Amino acid sequence: AQKVTQAQTEISVVEKEDVTLDCVYETRDTTYYLFWYKQPPSGELVFLIRRNSFDEQNEISGRYSWNFQKSTSSFNFTITASQVVDSAVYFCALSEASRGSTLGRLYFGRGTQLTVWP
Amino acid sequence: DAGVTQSPTHLIKTRGQQVTLRCSPKSGHDTVSWYQQALGQGPQFIFQYYEEEERQRGNFPDRFSGHQFPNYSSELNVNALLLGDSALYLCASSLGRVNTGELFFGEGSRLTVL
Repeated sequence: AQKVTQAQTEISVVEKEDVTLDCVYETRDTTYYLFWYKQPPSGELVFLIRRNSFDEQNEISGRYSWNFQKSTSSFNFTITASQVVDSAVYFCALSEASRGSTLGRLYFGRGTQLTVWP
Repeated sequence: DAGVTQSPTHLIKTRGQQVTLRCSPKSGHDTVSWYQQALGQGPQFIFQYYEEEERQRGNFPDRFSGHQFPNYSSELNVNALLLGDSALYLCASSLGRVNTGELFFGEGSRLTVL
């Protein structure tokens, strides 16, 4: 079973629109970490945020915000006032901290291609 | 401060050949993980090296093997290449095996198998 699901394959918006990228995860661990990474055309994955399973506070960083809800196993990512430079593939990922055999391993979703048009 | 560097950036091989990909971790990092990213997919974990030993392995056949050197750099070897091995191979480094923080990724090696 897929541990991280990103149902949106592609999203297109016009500059200055707000956009939300959805992420649903599945784990039996009580301690886990959730991540968002950005992958521009260069291929390098750029770290955006990490949240642990005990901290459900929403977080805002500039135009970026994250909504973590354990009740629905979701960790959604919103970009406010999108810009052309935000165009990239965005990945949500899960790390299970309790399972000795998989510590430090990331499970990625399939990614969402975001295109922001001028 | 150099980040994660990988080589080569692109390469083309034919079925049945063998390939070696190289990774230098970010300065100060001692753990290297390898991921395979097929076109249109998310990265899939191959294995992780720490203290020159393979510590974890994903669901990949024995054709995929690796090595970590005393300077923490790493190699990924793939034998008997198949068309399905065509992908972007990403190296990630971190500090400590039990890392729940940020992984630093290189730009990857894009392998095409013809």
